[in-house]
Amino acid sequence: GAVVSQHPSRVICKSGTSVKIECRSLDFQATTMFWYRQFPKKSLMLMATSNEGSKATYEQGVEKDKFLINHASLTLSTLTVTSAHPEDSSFYICSVKYGLNTDTQYFGPGTRLTVL
Amino acid sequence: GQSLEQPSEVTAVEGAIVQINCTYQTSGFYGLSWYQQHDGGAPTFLSYNALDGLEETGRFSSFLSRSDSYGYLLLQELQMKDSASYFCAVRDDDYKLSFGAGTTVTVRA
Repeated sequence: GAVVSQHPSRVICKSGTSVKIECRSLDFQATTMFWYRQFPKKSLMLMATSNEGSKATYEQGVEKDKFLINHASLTLSTLTVTSAHPEDSSFYICSVKYGLNTDTQYFGPGTRLTVL
Repeated sequence: GQSLEQPSEVTAVEGAIVQINCTYQTSGFYGLSWYQQHDGGAPTFLSYNALDGLEETGRFSSFLSRSDSYGYLLLQELQMKDSASYFCAVRDDDYKLSFGAGTTVTVRA
């Protein structure tokens, strides 16, 4: 399987600031990565699909100007939460689609964002 | 759209067998996956069924019946470390996964 890292693992920021979260595929060149958010004791909700070299595809209800995604290389995708507010506090997880025709995704360890 | 239902909680003792059911409604079906997530951790892939029948991987098995839009994950010889949340998931044309709400499995000594 693929090894996926995320940085930072935890971040606390003040309301109004922007936070960048990195997702790296360490041993696999990923043309497609996914970004999820998860509230406590809840399921994973897909936010967007990150495609290398092209614009991300956002799910309905996700503000693309608030959650900026950049997938500049085959091993790195970044999610920037702009002008963060307390309601953006959540667990953000990225995943890598492993291979061309596969349902298997390998997940990063997640980033816990707390906005004060 | 996709809709998945699974029980919210299951409690069992060490050594027991637990079955987590998942029913789904999808616009197109390509297979049912199962993921395990420990508290505060990342989901990890457990199994995948594209065809009807049982897939066995060690102590965990997964079953699918496409005609019934139903699958289950079977956890055998339960261990304390199996206490976690378990999610069933289906994907769409673009390989995007939709997850069920998750089943919290608590293993007691």
